[in-house]
Formats: sequence, structure tokens, C-alpha cells
Amino acid sequence: GDSVTQMEGPVTLSEEAFLTINCTYTATGYPSLFWYVQYPGEGLQLLLKATKADDKGSNKGFEATYRKETTSFHLEKGSVQVSDSAVYFCALTLYSSASKIIFGSGTRLSIRP
Amino acid sequence: DTAVSQTPKYLVTQMGNDKSIKCEQNLGHDTMYWYKQDSKKFLKIMFSYNNKELIINETVPNRFSPKSPDKAHLNLHINSLELGDSAVYFCASSQKTGELFFGEGSRLTVL
Repeated sequence: GDSVTQMEGPVTLSEEAFLTINCTYTATGYPSLFWYVQYPGEGLQLLLKATKADDKGSNKGFEATYRKETTSFHLEKGSVQVSDSAVYFCALTLYSSASKIIFGSGTRLSIRP
Repeated sequence: DTAVSQTPKYLVTQMGNDKSIKCEQNLGHDTMYWYKQDSKKFLKIMFSYNNKELIINETVPNRFSPKSPDKAHLNLHINSLELGDSAVYFCASSQKTGELFFGEGSRLTVL
């Protein structure tokens, strides 16, 4: 079935370090891919998205490229800040109505000052 | 102006009680959801409504009953609460772009 696999956390980095959080997917069709972020005590919010192969989503210094050949959508940021500490979720949807959005298990990121 | 609001934010209750969580969205979206997030942050979809019609009903005990009086509201009623129901429950809404808008969550603690 359709699924999303992301690297297990927690991930702990020092401020200004380079970040990669891996995400791979399995889907029967051509999904849209998303990264959501959940800050402590809050709901999830969309960080970035890509709707077709080779698209790059970007927001707040974060980037992810939709790689169909490797079925991946890795999240990267060149220089993380303490304020980036949160849980990050990779997700996919196969339907434009978002009825079947599938989330990965989440990766907790902690940034040390 | 909160887009997706849910109440209450915190709920502490005894086993066996019945409780409700309410959700309202002012985004004009057609689809609303309930998700359950456990202590390890794993998110599980429970229900989805499109224009007041139930379209997703995952494997959830019968004690959980959603109700959508109109497309801007989706409430969750839980009967005979059990310890394992303790979690954070998130309401969300979406339009056809695939992006979900989440509420801030309702933390339920069953003692």
C-alpha cells in the first residue's frame, strides 16, 4: 500500500549546522508531497510542498526536491536556528481532495544554541 | 482570526465518562478531519467529512462518533472513555489543493 518512511529521530544539531531529514515514499500513482512542521504545543502547519517530479518546494530556508527516480523528498536547510526545533512530518496525497493524505511517523529536531 | 479552532484545549476526565470536542473552521473548506496523535507523535486519521458527508471512517472503536452539523463544524463525541484514549486530537480542514490546515489540538487525559 501507499506509505511514507522518514528517518527516525530525535535529531540533535548545533545552531548553523546543515540539516537533512530523509523521506521516501511508496505510492501507486503520482502523489503530491508535503513537509509539515509541528512546533511545541501547536498543530501541524504546512512548511512546503511539491506536486510533480523535479519540483522544488521551499519556505523559511527549507527546501525539498521531488525525486521520482528515487521516490524521495528529503528536507534540507543550510543553517538551522534554535527556532527550527520542532517535529517534522513528511506526507503524501494521491487525490487533489486530500482525502487520502498519508503521514510519516515524524522526526523530532532539536537545535542546540 | 483563527482558521481552525477546537475546544477544549485540555480535557482531564475519569475512565467511563463521555466527552465531546468541538471544531470549527472559517476557511470555507469542504472537507474536515479528525486525527489522533499519540505520545510518540504518530498521527492517525480517524474520520473525514466532505460537505457533511462521512467519507473516511478508519478502524476506530464505535465509542467514537463524529458529527458534522454543517460543513464548517465537525465535532467528536467519545463514550465510555478508556485510558488508551489519552492523546492529542487534532481537527483539520482542506480544500482541493491537498494542503491541510490544523487546529491547535485538544489534549485528552483519561485517569
